Amino acid sequence: DAGVIQSPRHEVTEMGQEVTLRCKPISGHNSLFWYRQTMMRGLELLIYFNNNVPIDDSGMPEDRFSAKMPNASFSTLKIQPSEPRDSAVYFCASSLEAGSDTIYFGEGSWLTVV
Amino acid sequence: AQSVTQLDSQVPVFEEAPVELRCNYSSSVSVYLFWYVQYPNQGLQLLLKYLSGSTLVKGINGFEAEFNKSQTSFHLRKPSVHISDTAEYFCAVSDRTGRRALTFGSGTRLQVQP
Repeated sequence: DAGVIQSPRHEVTEMGQEVTLRCKPISGHNSLFWYRQTMMRGLELLIYFNNNVPIDDSGMPEDRFSAKMPNASFSTLKIQPSEPRDSAVYFCASSLEAGSDTIYFGEGSWLTVV
Repeated sequence: AQSVTQLDSQVPVFEEAPVELRCNYSSSVSVYLFWYVQYPNQGLQLLLKYLSGSTLVKGINGFEAEFNKSQTSFHLRKPSVHISDTAEYFCAVSDRTGRRALTFGSGTRLQVQP
């Protein structure tokens, strides 16, 4: 079975450029999550969708970050303009429902902003 | 609001020795509890979870955890570790309403030495 699929796996970009990270959740899952992982701050929830609707975006750092889920099989996380402090591993994850269900993680998108 | 505290950032242990990774949580509502493992350059995967019932939960790879409500703890244990258990371990909590996504602890790096 295909798991959560993220692209790109690695991205190196210059400060000020737009970055778009993509995610395909597991088919049939209703909840989708974007997490960011850094050494300093650990794993942080950025945004959580349920049935394609954003439920909690309180973790989105600032207006430079935006996330969309136009349908049940696709989501994007966009950073515009990017800054060096955005360098991190960005994980997409999905589950049948939030709460008790197991969350399945993708392998992450490693972003470096120089 | 909910939070998770993992008391040890690193735990070195010799192969075949027992190990305990500590986790404490706080929440104003009832919660579900999880342990995830992250191997190098990979996403997180579920080790075990506590939803209800028996407070001793068994997971994959010989790990188990015990939910202690009075101490608000969910410590992870393994009686005999292998080199392959070297990884980062994350404790996580979600509230039972499903309105919040998982909140992760800062992680514990388990280093198994020969």
